[in-house]
Formats: sequence, C-alpha cells, structure tokens
Amino acid sequence: EVQLVESGGGLVQPGRSMKLSCAASGFTFSNYGMAWVRQAPTKGLEWVATISYDGSSTYYRDSVKGRFTISRDNAKSTLYLQMNSLRSEDTATYYCTREPVDYWGQGVMVTVSS
Amino acid sequence: DIQMTQSPSLLSASVGDRVTINCKASQNINKYLNWYQQKLGEAPKLLIYNTNNLQTGIPSRFSGSGSGTDYTLTISSLQPEDFGTYFCFQHNSWPLTFGSGTKLEIK
Repeated sequence: EVQLVESGGGLVQPGRSMKLSCAASGFTFSNYGMAWVRQAPTKGLEWVATISYDGSSTYYRDSVKGRFTISRDNAKSTLYLQMNSLRSEDTATYYCTREPVDYWGQGVMVTVSS
Repeated sequence: DIQMTQSPSLLSASVGDRVTINCKASQNINKYLNWYQQKLGEAPKLLIYNTNNLQTGIPSRFSGSGSGTDYTLTISSLQPEDFGTYFCFQHNSWPLTFGSGTKLEIK
C-alpha cells in the first residue's frame, strides 16, 4: 500500500524558514517523480513544486521560486520542501504527492503569522 | 499559465441522478487531465487520470471524457457517498494548474 506521511509543519513567523519532510513507503520511491501541492484554508488546490525521480530536474510555481527548494533522498525514501522567507500567503496545508499526482499524503499545516 | 475553468461551482443533485462536471482549459492540454474528489478534512483522492482512465478501486459509475481544451467528469448514478468537492487538474505543462472546484451536494 502506498503511504506518504508528511511532517515538519507548524506556526512560523513571517520571514523565517521551515522544512517539511515526506516519508514514502509501499512503492519504489526512486522510480517516481514527486511533488508538493498546497491548499490555503477554505481555498482550492495549488501546485507548488515537482522533482524528477532522480532529483536532476526541479520545477516551481513562480510565487515560490527562489524561496522554496524541493529535494529528495532516495536512500531514505524521503521528499523534502525547504521553505525560506515565508510569507502569510504561504499559509496552507501542504500535501506530498506522487507523480502524476496520484497518491497524496494526509497533509501538514503550515501557518505563517507573527 | 494554463487556466482551468471548472463548472458548475456548486451542484445539488439527487441519489440516482446522472451528474456532469466540466473543465475547460485555456489551451490544448493533450488529455493530461486528472479528476479528484475531496471530502472535508481529507486529502484529495484521484478518480480519473489522463482524461478517461479509472483509478484502481474507484467505482465504475465514475467516467471521464474529453480532448483538446474541454473535459468532463460524469457520475452515472449518484450515490450518497459521492458528496464532496471535485477538482480537475492539468499536468500537460508548467506550471501545473487545478480547476477551482465543484462542490457536489446530495439533495
């Protein structure tokens, strides 16, 4: 069974950093691209970033480019999202997903507020 | 960016009804269109991938169709457990984009 378990969320002040992790199991992690998708409270879904199966290619939405970094450790079957210079508009539930966005984790809440 | 215009935004239907939800892309997305169902407080669940492929474990009353810029999700006979919000999603080109959602209520 495919499982994706996010961790690392919480409350953070504007301008600070936070790192999310996603532990994957139930499939061969190194064979799949992975992505982060977020959802602001009571809002729709927004794709954030994607990384290729081997980490050689990454893609970001414009609003996070230069602030967020997606990465992976295939030996640990773990996906990461390093978020710097956080803004209030980054407040959302962040979901870890397997490409092409078929399986989703349960999500982790990130709240950016002073 | 490709805009995904989803309609209707709110839909109220009865058990047994045939329901359709539409998604229109601002440009050709080559059938790289997924449909998801989301219930309150839960992660989205994939129903249909690449326009018309039923995800494993999803009931056959769900189906998808379309091409080019116009896509449709159909529920052939609505069941009580089908309430929730439905989203379309294009993965043809960057940035990947979602529709704004259709909230389906059961009468």
